Amino acid sequence: GESVGLHLPTLSVQEGDNSIINCAYSNSASDYFIWYKQESGKGPQFIIDIRSNMDKRQGQRVTVLLNKTVKHLSLQIAATQPGDSAVYFCADNSGGSNYKLTFGKGTLLTVNP
Amino acid sequence: SQTIHQWPATLVQPVGSPLSLECTVEGTSNPNLYWYRQAAGRGLQLLFYSVGIGQISSEVPQNLSASRPQDRQFILSSKKLLLSDSGFYLCAWSPTGGTDTQYFGPGTRLTVL
Repeated sequence: GESVGLHLPTLSVQEGDNSIINCAYSNSASDYFIWYKQESGKGPQFIIDIRSNMDKRQGQRVTVLLNKTVKHLSLQIAATQPGDSAVYFCADNSGGSNYKLTFGKGTLLTVNP
Repeated sequence: SQTIHQWPATLVQPVGSPLSLECTVEGTSNPNLYWYRQAAGRGLQLLFYSVGIGQISSEVPQNLSASRPQDRQFILSSKKLLLSDSGFYLCAWSPTGGTDTQYFGPGTRLTVL
């Protein structure tokens, strides 16, 4: 079935660098996308979301970019800090569902001091 | 503000024993509620969701069941646990009315021996 996937399972960056985490989705009818951060042993934490009527949305040190043409989503983290080390998941609303999210497998981000 | 609780935080159970995991949400009314399972190093698998008291939708055939006896209470149960039921169980809520953002609880780590 259709699902959200990730290009890279792991990403290692130096503290202070910018991080980019990528995600591909396959359901062209999905119109809502979310990024979550999950630290070890904890539940996923909402970071930022974007709807399909936008191609960019910014938060505090984070930016999400959506390219509907190629069905690609990315999360950019500026000035990455050690506290950003975690697994990052993208998710989409499964082709327009009001209730279901389809999650990718996650990318492990490691920030080196 | 809204908060979501799960208990217990960790649980070790023998094969064939029953299971009851509880999730409660505070600070909101008539939320959509969700149970997910996360295997080690994997993404999130939706098990059940509920849009109201007594309304349960099952996503994956298995030996687990869910119930919603009160508006802000969601329970995950099993009559006889299997080894394959081990994992990290996450409860989540989203606002009623079709809003897509889901907010997760702290999770329960279940080990079946």
